[in-house]
Amino acid sequence: DTEVTQTPKHLVMGMTNKKSLKCEQHMGHRAMYWYKQKAKKPPELMFVYSYEKLSINESVPSRFSPECPNSSLLNLHLHALQPEDSALYLCASMGTGGPTGELFFGEGSRLTVL
Amino acid sequence: QKEVEQNSGPLSVPEGAIASLNCTYSDRGSQSFFWYRQYSGKSPELIMFIYSNGDKEDGRFTAQLNKASQYVSLLIRDSQPSDSATYLCAVNRYNFNKFYFGSGTKLNVKP
Repeated sequence: DTEVTQTPKHLVMGMTNKKSLKCEQHMGHRAMYWYKQKAKKPPELMFVYSYEKLSINESVPSRFSPECPNSSLLNLHLHALQPEDSALYLCASMGTGGPTGELFFGEGSRLTVL
Repeated sequence: QKEVEQNSGPLSVPEGAIASLNCTYSDRGSQSFFWYRQYSGKSPELIMFIYSNGDKEDGRFTAQLNKASQYVSLLIRDSQPSDSATYLCAVNRYNFNKFYFGSGTKLNVKP
Protein backbone atom coordinates (compact mmCIF):
# COMPACT_ATOMS: atom_id res chain seq x y z
CA ASP A 1 0.00 0.00 0.00
CA THR A 2 1.62 3.21 -1.15
CA GLU A 3 0.19 6.02 0.91
CA VAL A 4 1.43 9.38 2.01
CA THR A 5 -1.00 11.27 4.23
CA GLN A 6 -0.99 15.04 4.50
CA THR A 7 -2.91 17.28 6.89
CA PRO A 8 -4.60 19.66 6.70
CA LYS A 9 -5.95 19.46 3.16
CA HIS A 10 -6.73 23.17 3.18
CA LEU A 11 -5.25 25.96 5.26
CA VAL A 12 -5.97 29.68 5.28
CA MET A 13 -3.65 31.86 7.32
CA GLY A 14 -2.79 35.47 7.82
CA MET A 15 0.68 36.85 7.31
CA THR A 16 1.32 36.99 11.06
CA ASN A 17 0.12 33.47 11.85
CA LYS A 18 2.18 30.41 12.68
CA LYS A 19 0.92 27.12 11.34
CA SER A 20 2.27 23.70 10.42
CA LEU A 21 1.73 21.20 7.65
CA LYS A 22 2.08 17.53 8.50
CA CYS A 23 2.99 14.48 6.46
CA GLU A 24 3.07 10.82 7.41
CA GLN A 25 4.09 7.61 5.65
CA HIS A 26 4.31 4.07 6.97
CA MET A 27 6.02 2.42 4.04
CA GLY A 28 9.47 2.44 5.61
CA HIS A 29 10.71 4.94 3.06
CA ARG A 30 13.88 6.70 4.18
CA ALA A 31 13.68 9.87 2.11
CA MET A 32 10.88 12.41 2.39
CA TYR A 33 10.30 15.57 0.43
CA TRP A 34 8.48 18.88 0.47
CA TYR A 35 7.48 20.39 -2.85
CA LYS A 36 5.64 23.60 -3.63
CA GLN A 37 3.40 23.79 -6.68
CA LYS A 38 1.80 26.86 -8.18
CA ALA A 39 -1.01 26.62 -10.72
CA LYS A 40 0.04 25.32 -14.13
CA LYS A 41 3.64 24.82 -12.98
CA PRO A 42 5.56 21.63 -12.13
CA PRO A 43 6.37 20.78 -8.52
CA GLU A 44 9.26 22.82 -7.19
CA LEU A 45 11.57 21.12 -4.72
CA MET A 46 11.91 22.74 -1.31
CA PHE A 47 13.50 20.24 1.09
CA VAL A 48 14.66 16.63 1.21
CA TYR A 49 15.20 14.57 4.34
CA SER A 50 17.22 11.40 4.03
CA TYR A 51 17.39 9.08 7.04
CA GLU A 52 15.83 11.87 9.11
CA LYS A 53 18.57 14.35 8.24
CA LEU A 54 18.09 17.39 6.04
CA SER A 55 20.01 16.60 2.86
CA ILE A 56 18.70 19.22 0.42
CA ASN A 57 17.48 22.76 1.05
CA GLU A 58 16.76 24.53 -2.20
CA SER A 59 17.49 27.99 -0.77
CA VAL A 60 14.02 28.21 0.69
CA PRO A 61 13.23 31.37 2.74
CA SER A 62 13.53 30.89 6.49
CA ARG A 63 9.81 31.53 6.94
CA PHE A 64 9.51 27.87 5.93
CA SER A 65 11.05 25.55 8.51
CA PRO A 66 11.08 21.78 7.97
CA GLU A 67 11.26 19.19 10.70
CA CYS A 68 11.56 15.40 10.62
CA PRO A 69 10.69 14.06 14.10
CA ASN A 70 11.10 10.43 13.01
CA SER A 71 11.34 8.32 9.88
CA SER A 72 7.57 8.35 9.35
CA LEU A 73 6.79 12.01 9.95
CA LEU A 74 7.64 15.25 8.21
CA ASN A 75 6.45 18.70 9.21
CA LEU A 76 6.66 22.07 7.54
CA HIS A 77 6.38 24.99 9.95
CA LEU A 78 5.08 28.22 8.48
CA HIS A 79 5.60 31.69 9.91
CA ALA A 80 5.22 35.21 8.54
CA LEU A 81 4.29 34.00 5.09
CA GLN A 82 3.51 36.23 2.15
CA PRO A 83 0.49 36.05 -0.18
CA GLU A 84 2.79 34.77 -2.94
CA ASP A 85 3.44 31.69 -0.80
CA SER A 86 -0.10 30.56 -1.52
CA ALA A 87 0.25 27.24 -3.34
CA LEU A 88 -0.28 23.50 -3.14
CA TYR A 89 2.31 21.99 -0.81
CA LEU A 90 3.13 18.41 -1.62
CA CYS A 91 4.84 15.87 0.55
CA ALA A 92 6.43 12.84 -1.06
CA SER A 93 8.41 9.82 0.01
CA MET A 94 10.87 7.86 -2.06
CA GLY A 95 10.28 4.18 -2.64
CA THR A 96 12.74 1.51 -3.68
CA GLY A 97 11.69 0.75 -7.26
CA GLY A 98 14.30 0.64 -10.00
CA PRO A 99 17.88 1.81 -9.52
CA THR A 100 16.97 5.09 -7.86
CA GLY A 101 13.56 4.74 -6.25
CA GLU A 102 10.36 6.52 -7.17
CA LEU A 103 8.41 9.36 -5.58
CA PHE A 104 5.00 8.84 -4.07
CA PHE A 105 3.05 12.03 -3.41
CA GLY A 106 0.48 12.80 -0.79
CA GLU A 107 -2.74 14.59 -1.75
CA GLY A 108 -1.25 17.93 -0.84
CA SER A 109 -2.14 20.80 1.45
CA ARG A 110 -3.60 23.81 -0.31
CA LEU A 111 -2.37 26.93 1.45
CA THR A 112 -3.89 30.37 1.09
CA VAL A 113 -2.09 33.30 2.70
CA LEU A 114 -4.22 36.42 3.18
CA GLN B 1 19.30 24.37 -20.63
CA LYS B 2 16.59 22.78 -18.54
CA GLU B 3 17.22 19.35 -17.04
CA VAL B 4 13.96 17.98 -18.42
CA GLU B 5 11.97 19.41 -21.32
CA GLN B 6 8.44 18.69 -22.39
CA ASN B 7 6.11 20.28 -24.88
CA SER B 8 3.50 22.09 -22.77
CA GLY B 9 0.70 21.31 -25.21
CA PRO B 10 -2.20 21.14 -25.09
CA LEU B 11 -2.16 17.89 -27.01
CA SER B 12 -5.62 17.07 -28.26
CA VAL B 13 -6.57 13.57 -29.41
CA PRO B 14 -9.94 11.98 -30.12
CA GLU B 15 -11.27 9.27 -27.86
CA GLY B 16 -9.86 5.86 -28.80
CA ALA B 17 -6.72 7.28 -30.43
CA ILE B 18 -3.11 6.88 -29.31
CA ALA B 19 -1.68 9.80 -27.38
CA SER B 20 2.07 10.24 -27.60
CA LEU B 21 3.86 12.33 -24.97
CA ASN B 22 7.53 13.14 -25.22
CA CYS B 23 10.31 14.22 -22.91
CA THR B 24 14.02 14.95 -23.32
CA TYR B 25 16.62 15.23 -20.59
CA SER B 26 20.07 16.74 -20.44
CA ASP B 27 21.97 14.69 -17.82
CA ARG B 28 23.46 11.54 -19.34
CA GLY B 29 23.90 10.20 -15.80
CA SER B 30 20.13 9.98 -15.37
CA GLN B 31 19.11 6.42 -14.62
CA SER B 32 15.43 6.35 -13.77
CA PHE B 33 12.61 7.98 -15.68
CA PHE B 34 9.10 8.52 -14.46
CA TRP B 35 5.72 9.53 -15.81
CA TYR B 36 3.22 11.15 -13.49
CA ARG B 37 -0.37 12.08 -14.24
CA GLN B 38 -1.83 15.13 -12.52
CA TYR B 39 -5.46 16.13 -12.64
CA SER B 40 -6.25 19.78 -12.06
CA GLY B 41 -6.07 20.63 -8.37
CA LYS B 42 -4.80 17.16 -7.43
CA SER B 43 -1.38 15.75 -6.62
CA PRO B 44 0.83 13.88 -9.12
CA GLU B 45 0.14 10.17 -9.43
CA LEU B 46 2.88 7.79 -10.57
CA ILE B 47 1.90 5.98 -13.76
CA MET B 48 5.12 4.23 -14.70
CA PHE B 49 8.84 4.25 -14.35
CA ILE B 50 11.45 2.87 -16.73
CA TYR B 51 15.19 2.48 -16.44
CA SER B 52 16.23 0.20 -19.29
CA ASN B 53 16.36 1.10 -22.95
CA GLY B 54 13.35 -0.08 -24.86
CA ASP B 55 9.67 -0.36 -24.09
CA LYS B 56 7.80 -1.10 -20.90
CA GLU B 57 4.09 -1.79 -21.08
CA ASP B 58 1.45 -1.58 -18.37
CA GLY B 59 -2.12 -1.92 -19.56
CA ARG B 60 -2.89 0.92 -21.97
CA PHE B 61 0.38 2.68 -21.16
CA THR B 62 3.76 2.11 -22.77
CA ALA B 63 6.89 3.95 -21.71
CA GLN B 64 9.79 4.10 -24.15
CA LEU B 65 13.36 4.99 -23.27
CA ASN B 66 16.25 5.81 -25.60
CA LYS B 67 19.28 6.75 -23.53
CA ALA B 68 21.46 7.43 -26.57
CA SER B 69 19.00 10.10 -27.70
CA GLN B 70 18.17 11.15 -24.11
CA TYR B 71 14.52 10.71 -24.91
CA VAL B 72 11.59 9.25 -23.00
CA SER B 73 8.05 8.90 -24.23
CA LEU B 74 4.69 7.72 -22.99
CA LEU B 75 2.10 6.20 -25.27
CA ILE B 76 -1.50 5.94 -24.16
CA ARG B 77 -3.53 3.55 -26.28
CA ASP B 78 -7.31 3.75 -26.59
CA SER B 79 -7.30 7.20 -24.99
CA GLN B 80 -10.27 7.99 -22.79
CA PRO B 81 -11.67 11.37 -21.69
CA SER B 82 -10.60 10.37 -18.16
CA ASP B 83 -6.98 10.46 -19.39
CA SER B 84 -7.30 14.23 -19.82
CA ALA B 85 -4.72 15.60 -17.41
CA THR B 86 -1.23 17.05 -17.26
CA TYR B 87 1.54 14.48 -17.66
CA LEU B 88 4.82 15.18 -15.90
CA CYS B 89 8.09 13.57 -16.87
CA ALA B 90 10.73 13.22 -14.12
CA VAL B 91 14.26 11.85 -14.01
CA ASN B 92 16.67 10.81 -11.28
CA ARG B 93 20.15 9.36 -10.97
CA TYR B 94 21.53 6.72 -8.66
CA ASN B 95 22.33 7.75 -5.10
CA PHE B 96 20.94 11.19 -5.75
CA ASN B 97 17.78 12.29 -4.03
CA LYS B 98 16.86 15.10 -6.39
CA PHE B 99 14.17 14.40 -8.96
CA TYR B 100 13.97 16.77 -11.90
CA PHE B 101 10.52 17.44 -13.33
CA GLY B 102 9.56 18.69 -16.73
CA SER B 103 6.97 21.44 -17.00
CA GLY B 104 4.30 18.93 -18.03
CA THR B 105 2.20 18.30 -21.13
CA LYS B 106 -1.52 18.93 -20.96
CA LEU B 107 -3.51 16.20 -22.70
CA ASN B 108 -7.11 16.68 -23.82
CA VAL B 109 -8.99 13.60 -24.98
CA LYS B 110 -12.13 14.62 -26.83
CA PRO B 111 -15.21 12.37 -26.71
